[in-house]
Amino acid sequence: QVQLQESGPGLVKPSQTLSLTCSVSGGSISSGSYYWSWIRQPAGKGLEWIGRIYTSGSTNYNPSLKSRVTISVNTSKNQFSLKLSSVTAADTAVYYCAGPGTGTTSGDVWGQGTTVTVSS
Amino acid sequence: SFELTQPPSVSVSPGQTASITCSGHKLGDKYACWYQQKPGQSPVLVIYQDSKRPSGIPERLSASNSGNTATLTISGTQAMDEADYYCQAWDSSTGVVFGGGTKLTVL
Repeated sequence: QVQLQESGPGLVKPSQTLSLTCSVSGGSISSGSYYWSWIRQPAGKGLEWIGRIYTSGSTNYNPSLKSRVTISVNTSKNQFSLKLSSVTAADTAVYYCAGPGTGTTSGDVWGQGTTVTVSS
Repeated sequence: SFELTQPPSVSVSPGQTASITCSGHKLGDKYACWYQQKPGQSPVLVIYQDSKRPSGIPERLSASNSGNTATLTISGTQAMDEADYYCQAWDSSTGVVFGGGTKLTVL
């Protein structure tokens, strides 16, 4: 059974870049034809899709975040990563990685989530 | 841009049937899925491809999708079903879209 675990700084300063990594265990990130996604949730609010990366390396991003987001994959480490630049307080949220997804779902496995606070 | 609309809250008595709707333009032409999220926990996929249940999801959860509305139905609702429910679909222009979520309260 695939398991996902997010990691990265819990505190990021305004205008800096948020960087998170999702480690995949119990399966290979490069096997099959799947999407690996990042989703966030501000405290007390709903889910917001950030973007996803396909097994082939192609990516899709939320249009509202596209100019600031980069998702990449490191197959040798069985990880995929999120970079969100020029962060503000509005980017404070719990960040989840999810997968393996098909074209129409974000996947049936989610990480436990990691809280990122943007503050000076 | 493509949007999905859910009622903020739905209440149901134990043992009764709860229905949670998700509306979007021509949603029936797309596949919808549903996630359940309990307080302090990560979301769990409970329905995919409109009406399919992943392994381990009880049969009392069912769903449909037609026209502009997808519906999640919980029959014989139990206290353990109390949670937030999110619909999700994929749109070629907008990408992955989540509904705003519905808080199901079992009274």
